Amino acid sequence: AQSVAQPEDQVNVAEGNPLTVKCTYSVSGNPYLFWYVQYPNRGLQFLLKYITGDNLVKGSYGFEAEFNKSQTSFHLKKPSALVSDSALYFCAVRDPDSGGYQKVTFGTGTKLQVIP
Amino acid sequence: DAGVIQSPRHEVTEMGQEVTLRCKPISGHDYLFWYRQTMMRGLELLIYFNNNVPIDDSGMPEDRFSAKMPNASFSTLKIQPSEPRDSAVYFCASKGQGYNEQFFGPGTRLTVL
Repeated sequence: AQSVAQPEDQVNVAEGNPLTVKCTYSVSGNPYLFWYVQYPNRGLQFLLKYITGDNLVKGSYGFEAEFNKSQTSFHLKKPSALVSDSALYFCAVRDPDSGGYQKVTFGTGTKLQVIP
Repeated sequence: DAGVIQSPRHEVTEMGQEVTLRCKPISGHDYLFWYRQTMMRGLELLIYFNNNVPIDDSGMPEDRFSAKMPNASFSTLKIQPSEPRDSAVYFCASKGQGYNEQFFGPGTRLTVL
């Protein structure tokens, strides 16, 4: 079984400060990991993914995430937050060893509020 | 490409009525997913198709829900009869064979009175 946890319902950060949105996962094998962002009244937009290779993954809008296998974490980061980054962020996981099964499990989401 | 297209964007109906949600995936994508998003339950996978064939419908809440994909460019999610607890935002997403990430549509906000 695969699962993902986002321990924080909301994260507040001042504009210009670095931000971190936390995510931990559980899969039986090596995970495929994703971050999506959802703006109000919009669908989810893909930000970045970890499939294999370098543990530090760079994505859209200056976001990056670090895969840490020992801590089973995939935290989303950005060096300098913008007010326009305020949105709902979802972490997601898929177990590629599940025989081609394409189900992705999403976390409960973390609301990021960037304060001007 | 126009992305994933969903219609209608908003639907308000009365309990007991039939509701049909529509989705057009990105051209060339061979996977299509239907999700439901609520405050209480978050984002739930209802069903997904591969090459128009339903692969996993274990997330479909009950027999009132049904989904079809008659061709590669169109899918429907039907609720009959609808109930107030079906009120949610329903998303369609598609994925191409060479991709690992899914591409989401804008969603349909369903309100059942």
